[in-house]
Formats: sequence, structure tokens, C-alpha cells
Amino acid sequence: ETGVTQTPRHLVMGMTNKKSLKCEQHLGHNAMYWYKQSAKKPLELMFVYNFKEQTENNSVPSRFSPECPNSSHLFLHLHTLQPEDSALYLCASSQSRQGLNEKLFFGSGTQLSVL
Amino acid sequence: AQKITQTQPGMFVQEKEAVTLDCTYDTSDPSYGLFWYKQPSSGEMIFLIYQGSYDQQNATEGRYSLNFQKARKSANLVISASQLGDSAMYFCAMRGDSNSGYALNFGKGTSLLVTP
Repeated sequence: ETGVTQTPRHLVMGMTNKKSLKCEQHLGHNAMYWYKQSAKKPLELMFVYNFKEQTENNSVPSRFSPECPNSSHLFLHLHTLQPEDSALYLCASSQSRQGLNEKLFFGSGTQLSVL
Repeated sequence: AQKITQTQPGMFVQEKEAVTLDCTYDTSDPSYGLFWYKQPSSGEMIFLIYQGSYDQQNATEGRYSLNFQKARKSANLVISASQLGDSAMYFCAMRGDSNSGYALNFGKGTSLLVTP
């Protein structure tokens, strides 16, 4: 079992649906991240939380809404998505937000398909 | 702005042979960290190896080594004695220092297929 768990593994939703992705880390880390991975593109950083406070929002459309109730849990709420939002959404955590050698631990991702 | 370039979209290697995956980078930060991650078909990104920009020696982790050439701004991953389980996507990443907010940027990845 990995230290970062994401649910669901797969999600199919219509453009008018509302759904949420969940991420939980069991590593005692203080920083959590959402990344989007589309085919043939580099990973795109979406949001960063450090000690439950959002520190980065990389110009993500408002149809994506993150929530971090505590340092162990991270959610990504989805509503009125577009087909181009179909991608693998990866959650990650790290001990600290800073530090050159700070490595990220990733979950297995949620494969999202928007119809 | 930081940029990571992986020029090999796909690579083949025979089992037990060594393979080198290329990575070049560009940054204006005086110090930075370089990472390699492996992503098997299961989706999880797995950390492999780290190299600091001021580290004097090339990093090694078991069968993985990082060929760091600072002047050329390259950080190639060398996998020795390839195994079938090494078949996966491999991503090079760079973390900048406080000047760039410790941003971690990834390349597009290289798909490695190990054949029997």
C-alpha cells in the first residue's frame, strides 16, 4: 500500500455533473499538491497546500475547486467540466513545500473522463 | 522561467543491457535540484533519484545513476542491467530555489520498453 491514496481510480462524468476526487496521505507530510497529466504534455501543477493553506493556484479554471480540511486530506471538487478536462489527476505530498531536495510522493491518480 | 526537455519520446532496450534516458534543463536559479521519476502503467509516480546542483559527485541509487553535466545543463538517467519491470514512462524534473518559489517542473517523459 502506498503512502498516498487516491479515490476513485476511475471516474466518468457528464459535463453537468458534480463530483469530487479524494486524496489521503499517511506520511505525516505538511504539503499537498494536485497535478493534471494529459497525454503528451508535461505534468501541470494545479494547486499547492502547505499546512492546510492554499499557497498556489496556477490559473486553474474555477470549475476546479480544491479543499484541504487538514494536512492529511485533499479534495478536488469538480463541476460543469469540459471534455478537454479529461486526464489523469495526480495527488502528491511532501514533508515541506521548500527545499531543493524535497521529493514528492504520488498517489496512483484518478483517470477522469468527461463526456 | 524553467524548462525541462526530454527529446526521446520512446526507447527500446534489451533485458540486461544498460540504457540512457536524456534530460536537459534550463534555469536562471543559482541552485536547483534534479529528479527522476518512474511511472508504470498503474499510474503512480515513483521517485528514483535526486541530484543537487552543487553536489560534487553523480548520484547513484542501486541500478540507477544520474550523469550530471552542469556546464551542458544535462541530467541523464542511466539504468544498468535493465529488467522487464523497468518498462514504464520516465520523467525528469527540476526544482528551482526560492527565486522561483521552489517550483517543481516536469519534462514530457520518455517511454521505455524492455524486451526479453
